[in-house]
Amino acid sequence: DTAVSQTPKYLVTQMGNDKSIKCEQNLGHDTMYWYKQDSKKFLKIMFSYNNKELIINETVPNRFSPKSPDKAHLNLHINSLELGDSAVYFCASSQLEGPRYNEQFFGPGTRLTVL
Amino acid sequence: AQSVTQPDIHITVSEGASLELRCNYSYGATPYLFWYVQSPGQGLQLLLKYFSGDTLVQGIKGFEAEFKRSQSSFNLRKPSVHWSDAAEYFCAVGAGRGGNQFYFGTGTSLTVIP
Repeated sequence: DTAVSQTPKYLVTQMGNDKSIKCEQNLGHDTMYWYKQDSKKFLKIMFSYNNKELIINETVPNRFSPKSPDKAHLNLHINSLELGDSAVYFCASSQLEGPRYNEQFFGPGTRLTVL
Repeated sequence: AQSVTQPDIHITVSEGASLELRCNYSYGATPYLFWYVQSPGQGLQLLLKYFSGDTLVQGIKGFEAEFKRSQSSFNLRKPSVHWSDAAEYFCAVGAGRGGNQFYFGTGTSLTVIP
C-alpha cells in the first residue's frame, strides 16, 4: 500500500481557474505538509498541519488554502491560478509527537502546469 | 536562521567510481540531518538520517554519510556508483518544534557515465 498518496499526478489548467490537489497518508502520522518544488528543483515548505491544526504557514499567496478534514488527509486548494504556480507540489507526513523525531515521508508529487 | 548548502549543483562520475556529495548546514542546536534522493519524475525517498550517536550513518542502496559537527557538514558517500544512482540528491535539516520544519538544500544532480 502506498504510504503517502496524491491525486492527481498531473494537472494542466488555464490561468484563473481554481483547482485542488488531494493528499492522503496511511502511516498514522499526526503531521502533514505541503511543499512546492520549482523548475530549478528547489523545495520549499508551504504549510504544515499537526492534528488538523495549522502550525506552519510560510509566505505563500492567500490564493493557496490547505484543508485538513482529518489527520490522514491534507488537501491543497488553489484559487485564481497564475502562470507562476506551475510547479511540482509534494505532500509529506511525519509523526511529530512521541519519544523521538521521525523523518518525513513524501508522496509522489503533483505536476501542475498553468497555461 | 537555519540553512542548508549543497555547493555542487551538478556532478558527473563514471560508473564504478566513488562519490561524495557535500552538504553544509547552519543551525544553532544539534540538527536532525537527512539525505533524500529524487529519481526523474519521482517523489523523494529517504536515503539515510542522523539524529544522534554514531556520526557515520549507513543508508539504503550502499550510501553512507558522516556528520562532522566541527565542519557543520553531513557529506554523502558511496564507494562505487551504479548507473541507477543517477538522480537528484537533497540534503535536509530538521528543525523547529520537534523538528517539524524541514529546510532543504538546493540539490545536487548526479550524472553517471557508463
